[in-house]
Amino acid sequence: QQQVKQSPQSLIVQKGGIPIINCAYENTAFDYFPWYQQFPGKGPALLIAIRPDVSEKKEGRFTISFNKSAKQFSLHIMDSQPGDSATYFCAASIGRNTGKLIFGQGTTLQVKP
Amino acid sequence: DTAVSQTPKYLVTQMGNDKSIKCEQNLGHDTMYWYKQDSKKFLKIMFSYNNKELIINETVPNRFSPKSPDKAHLNLHINSLELGDSAVYFCASSHREGSSYNSPLHFGNGTRLTVT
Repeated sequence: QQQVKQSPQSLIVQKGGIPIINCAYENTAFDYFPWYQQFPGKGPALLIAIRPDVSEKKEGRFTISFNKSAKQFSLHIMDSQPGDSATYFCAASIGRNTGKLIFGQGTTLQVKP
Repeated sequence: DTAVSQTPKYLVTQMGNDKSIKCEQNLGHDTMYWYKQDSKKFLKIMFSYNNKELIINETVPNRFSPKSPDKAHLNLHINSLELGDSAVYFCASSHREGSSYNSPLHFGNGTRLTVT
């Protein structure tokens, strides 16, 4: 119930492609869904986040699509660049204590020039 | 102007030793955390402190003891280190109260602990 399942584990796309990373959850009490980006040797950094009362959020080239009925959400990266090569984590949390994030397993993205 | 800083960045030690990792944040947050990232990059919360008070303690061996001297600092002491403790440990901070949407987690750059 507390798990967030993320797929795929790894992804390779060409520059300009649109990688899509998917996450699914079971606990309907989750009400905050962030995506974090992690570069080697660095800590995860917040990329974009969504609440379940909206179905889509866009920030620059990054878009979250959220399907509440299916309990799924996904990250789309438009016009991907080699600099986007990193590990991406979806996460979820409940309520106001947002620091207790339940993370997905991570997706390693490689964008080829 | 580092927001969440951890020391040391690398820590190599032998089984059975005791070691500490220090963390400091200058974001004015009232809540700090320790997360563990294993060799498969899976991230899991260990502890959380709010204004020096322990508020989250996940299933972590008693050998791990967090200490928060003030709300800007959270240290992690590990006794009798084991091979399985090898991982990257991340400190993080946020505001506990208020909208989750407006108070995201800020992570440090991690401490890579290797137990030989």
